[in-house]
Amino acid sequence: EAQVTQNPRYLITVTGKKLTVTCSQNMNHEYMSWYRQDPGLGLRQIYYSMNVEVTDKGDVPEGYKVSRKEKRNFPLILESPSPNQTSLYFCASRRRENQPQHFGDGTRLSIL
Amino acid sequence: AQSVTQPDIHITVSEGASLELRCNYSYGATPYLFWYVQSPGQGLQLLLKYFSGDTLVQGIKGFEAEFKRSQSSFNLRKPSVHWSDAAEYFCAVGVPEGGGNKLTFGTGTQLKVEL
Repeated sequence: EAQVTQNPRYLITVTGKKLTVTCSQNMNHEYMSWYRQDPGLGLRQIYYSMNVEVTDKGDVPEGYKVSRKEKRNFPLILESPSPNQTSLYFCASRRRENQPQHFGDGTRLSIL
Repeated sequence: AQSVTQPDIHITVSEGASLELRCNYSYGATPYLFWYVQSPGQGLQLLLKYFSGDTLVQGIKGFEAEFKRSQSSFNLRKPSVHWSDAAEYFCAVGVPEGGGNKLTFGTGTQLKVEL
């Protein structure tokens, strides 16, 4: 089954404790993205990647890092999380630039 | 830069009634256009997309959308709403940027269906 898998689905942690949210897709897609969803703001892109070792900033990249060492994986790293990063995060992938995105089920992060 | 406006934050309709969700975009050319639906606790599912050609596009679950270039709109419609359609709906536009394709989402419309 074609899917985008995120882990963990839920995480409560404290300020400053580094965390990584993993994202994996099994569709051999070139493009992958991370979004955060906040009430009243819709989805905002954090980072995206057009292929292995090619990443770029989205609209709200501050406080986040990503890497794309393999085509299927695109982890999101919060080196020093802060409460304003409490949000619902989605990973997405697509085959080419004008194709629809496939979304993961989301990761709800709470930073205390 | 492109932008997307969904002017209705909440909409309530009765089951069986027709539905129209509004979406307006700002971009200098015709972008790629998408509608997604998000059920509680789940990710986003694609309802339909417009790239070019026929301006009336059909999607899944009985939804359709019409691209109107003169109004910069891409409104989503359904003739008869079912209780299971209650969800949040997002309009999105994709534009070429930096060799890739940037997707910008609207802020969403929460649909409530009254039985």
